[in-house]
Parts: sequence; structure tokens; C-alpha cells
Amino acid sequence: NAGVTQTPKFQVLKTGQSMTLQCAQDMNHNSMYWYRQDPGMGLRLIYYSASEGTTDKGEVPNGYNVSRLNKREFSLRLESAAPSQTSVYFCASSAGGGNYGYTFGSGTRLTVV
Amino acid sequence: QKEVEQNSGPLSVPEGAIASLNCTYSDRGSQSFFWYRQYSGKSPELIMSIYSNGDKEDGRFTAQLNKASQYVSLLIRDSQPSDSATYLCAVNVYVLSNFGNEKLTFGTGTRLTIIP
Repeated sequence: NAGVTQTPKFQVLKTGQSMTLQCAQDMNHNSMYWYRQDPGMGLRLIYYSASEGTTDKGEVPNGYNVSRLNKREFSLRLESAAPSQTSVYFCASSAGGGNYGYTFGSGTRLTVV
Repeated sequence: QKEVEQNSGPLSVPEGAIASLNCTYSDRGSQSFFWYRQYSGKSPELIMSIYSNGDKEDGRFTAQLNKASQYVSLLIRDSQPSDSATYLCAVNVYVLSNFGNEKLTFGTGTRLTIIP
């Protein structure tokens, strides 16, 4: 039972490079989320997908795009990485909305130089 | 005012004592409340959920909810060094959006250290 799987675990990018963070869940959850976590800032929502085929902006969407490829997969893309995007990124999923707890992936530690 | 507030700590508690973690929230319509534990360098892990006023116990953990006062707390009895972690409070918040109008909002977390 893998839960939520994120790849890669670590990544170093140069300013201006692009990359896609992958996330997949095997719990048949409807909702998926991307968060970033920075020291002293807590978890901040970037984008979320309430159900397959839908996406919506969260608290800090600028500089990111997402794709809900199917019910299992939700990817996050950085088109032109900036040093301000250095952070730890977590993908999460839930059965639906805010009434259920979220299950988090193991995270991606991204450094932009 | 932040939607979910926690004292960032650090909170130091002797081994075997009771650790008390507190959280306040601003949305009176919130119905679901969660506590997550996050070890350094790891992802958040759900440890408690509570939906009704009062206490909910699970092993050494007790979650307490008071909707009238808009606070939720977590008590850890017989604290162990393995309880040293950051504890995140999460509250469901209604938002206006195109799809799915509820999501969890997280506090910034309280760092707890259990002293042997």
C-alpha cells in the first residue's frame, strides 16, 4: 500500500529551468493538493484538484501550473524556476474536501540556484 | 488575523509529563479539525481528528474541541522522546471557488521537545 508517491525526492535547478514534479496516489481519493513548506511559513497551498478534471488556485499559485492527468495523478510544473521557489513541496490527497484528513507524500526538496 | 494560529514554540516538556498544544481558528463555520505530527525532514502524518465539541482520546493522545471559543488542543500524556516533533493544527475552511468549496488550512506548527 504505497499511499501517495512523489518524484523526485531531491532536485537542483538553475534559474530559468523548468521541471515537473510528479504525484500519484493509489487510495482512490477524489481530491489532490500541492503545498510548499518554508521555514516559519507553514504549509501553503499552491493548487488543488477537488476531483478529476478540475483544478483551482490556492494561496500561492504564481509561477506554477498543474495538471490532473487522471484520478491517480496530479503534477506540478515550474515553467521558469526562480530562487524564491526553493522549498520543500508536498503532494497530498483526500477522499474529498476538508472533512477528511489528508495523506501526504514524502516530499520533494527543490533548490533553485 | 491568520485563519489558524499556533504558538510556534519551542515547547520543552520533561519526559513522562503532559504536553499541551493549542490552536485557535477564525472560521466559525469550520466543522473538521486535525492534528498532524511532522518529524524533521519528513512529511506530516495525521494523528488525530475531531469533529464534535469535547474530548477524543486515542492512546496517549487526547484532542479537545471548543467551537464556541474557537480553539482546539492536543494533549500528549506520558510524553516520550519520540514525541519530539512539530505538531500542525489543520482546520477545514470554506472557500469560494469554481470547484470544491472546502479545504484544510494549516497552522505554522508548534515545535515540541521532550527532555529525557
